[in-house]
Amino acid sequence: GENVEQHPSTLSVQEGDSAVIKCTYSDSASNYFPWYKQELGKGPQLIIDIRSNVGEKKDQRIAVTLNKTAKHFSLHITETQPEDSAVYFCAASTTGTASKLTFGTGTRLQVTL
Amino acid sequence: DTGVSQDPRHKITKRGQNVTFRCDPISEHNRLYWYRQTLGQGPEFLTYFQNEAQLEKSRLLSDRFSAERPKGSFSTLEIQRTEQGDSAMYLCASSLVGQEQYFGPGTRLTVT
Repeated sequence: GENVEQHPSTLSVQEGDSAVIKCTYSDSASNYFPWYKQELGKGPQLIIDIRSNVGEKKDQRIAVTLNKTAKHFSLHITETQPEDSAVYFCAASTTGTASKLTFGTGTRLQVTL
Repeated sequence: DTGVSQDPRHKITKRGQNVTFRCDPISEHNRLYWYRQTLGQGPEFLTYFQNEAQLEKSRLLSDRFSAERPKGSFSTLEIQRTEQGDSAMYLCASSLVGQEQYFGPGTRLTVT
């Protein structure tokens, strides 16, 4: 089955700096890659996603890049703010957005003042 | 708030007892998913429904676990004879076919 690895497990940045989280996946058939943000005591919140026919997608301060050849994808957050502090999870799916997601182990991002 | 609701939010039970959780998806969503999340890990897929049909079950879903979605709307997840290893956050998500999954707030189960 699919295996998703995520790095780093923790990341501390100063407010205003950029943060980058990287994931690799094992199944070359994977074609959908969402990113979720999870705050303490809450369920995961979808923040951005990318499909395999696109190499990059941007939404305001958040961007995701995908390298299908290397089987890795990354989340970039620019101009970080304290409210960006949370746990971020990458995920992969082999049959599109309606199928089961395989998640990475998460990155705890802390944005310090 | 994504519009997916789960009840209860917290459940403490003694080992050996049965528990049942409920998920109400976003009203027009025809797909409903159950995941389990343990501390420090990402969610793990358990099962999913399209309308009332259960289309896939993970090997994680032992025979003590059963899920239903009788009318294609809300779903229940029952765990029989709970064990301490069942302690986790149980997450529900819903989607339209071919669209993004939206998660509820989860039910935190503690088995003592």
